[in-house]
Amino acid sequence: EIVLTQSPGTLSLSPGERATLSCRASQSVRDSYLAWYQQRPGQAPRLLIYGASNRATGIPDRFSGSGSRTDFTLAINRLEPEDFAVYYCQQYGNSPYSFGQGTKLEIK
Amino acid sequence: QVQLQESGPGLVKPSDTLSLTCDVSNYSISNDNWWGWIRQPPGKGLEWIGYIYHSGSTYYYPSLKSRVTMSLDTSKNQVSLKLTSVTAVDTAVYYCARTMGDAYKWHAFDIWGQGTMVTVSS
Repeated sequence: EIVLTQSPGTLSLSPGERATLSCRASQSVRDSYLAWYQQRPGQAPRLLIYGASNRATGIPDRFSGSGSRTDFTLAINRLEPEDFAVYYCQQYGNSPYSFGQGTKLEIK
Repeated sequence: QVQLQESGPGLVKPSDTLSLTCDVSNYSISNDNWWGWIRQPPGKGLEWIGYIYHSGSTYYYPSLKSRVTMSLDTSKNQVSLKLTSVTAVDTAVYYCARTMGDAYKWHAFDIWGQGTMVTVSS
């Protein structure tokens, strides 16, 4: 099973700043089948990025994903108030699929 | 738009079976997508339980495999989850979700239900 480790656990930034979130896999993720989700309090997760770098439908271009094999990054430019949430990565290239433990993005 | 709605008992006794359904609206579960279940214990992260395809093919998380059964009811356009012999560690919000497509490259979950909280307690 691939273990995904997200860092940092909590990221404190101000609106307008840029956020960089990391997701590291314990082994190579096949074909970069990695997704990022945003979860606001009391809500279901929302797909942001799939295939490591492809934005899902309706996701603003402030969100971008990059990386391959074991190291992946989610970047969020010009943070908006609604961006402060928990972010999860998920790999779906190797069974069983797995999620990272999450990064909480909080307002500084 | 496509909508998923989970339902089921909010309270289940230890050693009993947890049974949930997911009603899918405005989209056929017979289309080329997999239908998954994910859970989230209170205050914790997401856990992938498994998924099912309209052909009946399933894949379950190995540590849950002996207790999990997923099924589809095409007449009701519903996806179901059964988890047997539950304990307190099964207490969580349970989500159903749709993959983007049928091939592995499309196995990110693009549509999620709002989730339903299940507490295991006597």
